[in-house]
Amino acid sequence: EVELVETGGGLIQPGGSVRLSCAVSGFSVSDNYMSWVRQAPGKGLEWISVIFRGGSTYYGDSVKGRLTISRDNSKNTVFLQMNSLRAADTAVYYCASHYCNAGSCYIDYWGRGTLVTVSP
Amino acid sequence: SYVLTQPPSVSVAPGTTARISCGGNNIGSKSVHWYQQKPGQAPVLVIYSDSDRPSGIPARFSGSNSGDTATLTIGRVEAGDEADYYCQVWDSGSDVIFGGGTKLTVL
Repeated sequence: EVELVETGGGLIQPGGSVRLSCAVSGFSVSDNYMSWVRQAPGKGLEWISVIFRGGSTYYGDSVKGRLTISRDNSKNTVFLQMNSLRAADTAVYYCASHYCNAGSCYIDYWGRGTLVTVSP
Repeated sequence: SYVLTQPPSVSVAPGTTARISCGGNNIGSKSVHWYQQKPGQAPVLVIYSDSDRPSGIPARFSGSNSGDTATLTIGRVEAGDEADYYCQVWDSGSDVIFGGGTKLTVL
């Protein structure tokens, strides 16, 4: 059975940093495209980063330069390092895996999310 | 970057048909995917590749895509279909683009 479990959220001071983890079971993170998607309170879904099977990484325009996505194949875990946090980064952060076919990718599995609150 | 536009809300009576649009420049040339999200829950895929349904999704859910508009259609709407719905495309070989979301209200 596939499961994605995010951890690492909490209350963070503005300007601070946080590292989110996504522990995966049921498939290998190195075999899939893995993304982080966030959702601010009462707002829509916002994709923020993806790591490809080969290790290439891509970021959404709103977070470029402040986020780093990575993975540890031995732990089957994906990470999201976020720096210089601001109130606008307050959101539930979801880990997600992609299925890709014919040049398009969609999300087939989602975690339950972890809440990051940026506040003094 | 590519922009997807959805109506903020759609309201329908139970037993009728709901249609949720997703507009984008020549979106018909892309593959569109749809997610349902209920309060406090992670999204769930309901349509992929314009019109395919994952296992477990009722046949009442269908999709189409042509020109500048993709559409999610929910037939014989039930109270349990009340949720937020998001369209999504894969852009530039690396970017996930979501629409702004549509809140479906069952009257």
